[in-house]
Amino acid sequence: KNQVEQSPQSLIILEGKNCTLQCNYTVSPFSNLRWYKQDTGRGPVSLTIMTFSENTKSNGRYTATLDADTKQSSLHITASQLSDSASYICVVSRYYGGSQGNLIFGKGTKLSVKP
Amino acid sequence: DGGITQSPKYLFRKEGQNVTLSCEQNLNHDAMYWYRQDPGQGLRLIYYSQIVNDFQKGDIAEGYSVSREKKESFPLTVTSAQKNPTAFYLCASSTHDNSNQPQHFGDGTRLSIL
Repeated sequence: KNQVEQSPQSLIILEGKNCTLQCNYTVSPFSNLRWYKQDTGRGPVSLTIMTFSENTKSNGRYTATLDADTKQSSLHITASQLSDSASYICVVSRYYGGSQGNLIFGKGTKLSVKP
Repeated sequence: DGGITQSPKYLFRKEGQNVTLSCEQNLNHDAMYWYRQDPGQGLRLIYYSQIVNDFQKGDIAEGYSVSREKKESFPLTVTSAQKNPTAFYLCASSTHDNSNQPQHFGDGTRLSIL
């Protein structure tokens, strides 16, 4: 069964600290993996997209890694800020060049950054 | 500024009523998508359209209908046949319906039952 599992479900950290969110998937075939940030009551915003040949990709203080062999990805947030409080969603795409009707969404990790 | 506009932000539906959620984009994107988001669940695809005058059912199309008469518009109708419509509805678009293209999302419509 094609699934995307994220952990932890929720996380509380202090401002300025680093954190790492995990994503494990059993999706096959695999095209790419995306991380989105979703603020409460807003739509998701894309952070990174990685294909199977990419091990790491950064977007400012956000760094995503991908291990296509173990089917694991992580999102590392450096020097967290209050504005990082949001849900982070991992999404896996099937079929290289195929329809986006084949996206598999994780349930998200809710991150709270406290002052 | 280019983007996706969803309206209204909040919508209430009475028993037996059909309601229509608006989604407009000025990104000149060919593909558009409707998702439903429930608490503690991943996004689920309702309908998507690869090109004007064409659309396909997603995983949970029952009780919903769409049209794609214009490139920039992809309205979603929640019909009375949808027995549990309370959810956050998200519209998205991408350059083409290709798995390598990023999706851009609107800010959603929250639908509740009166």
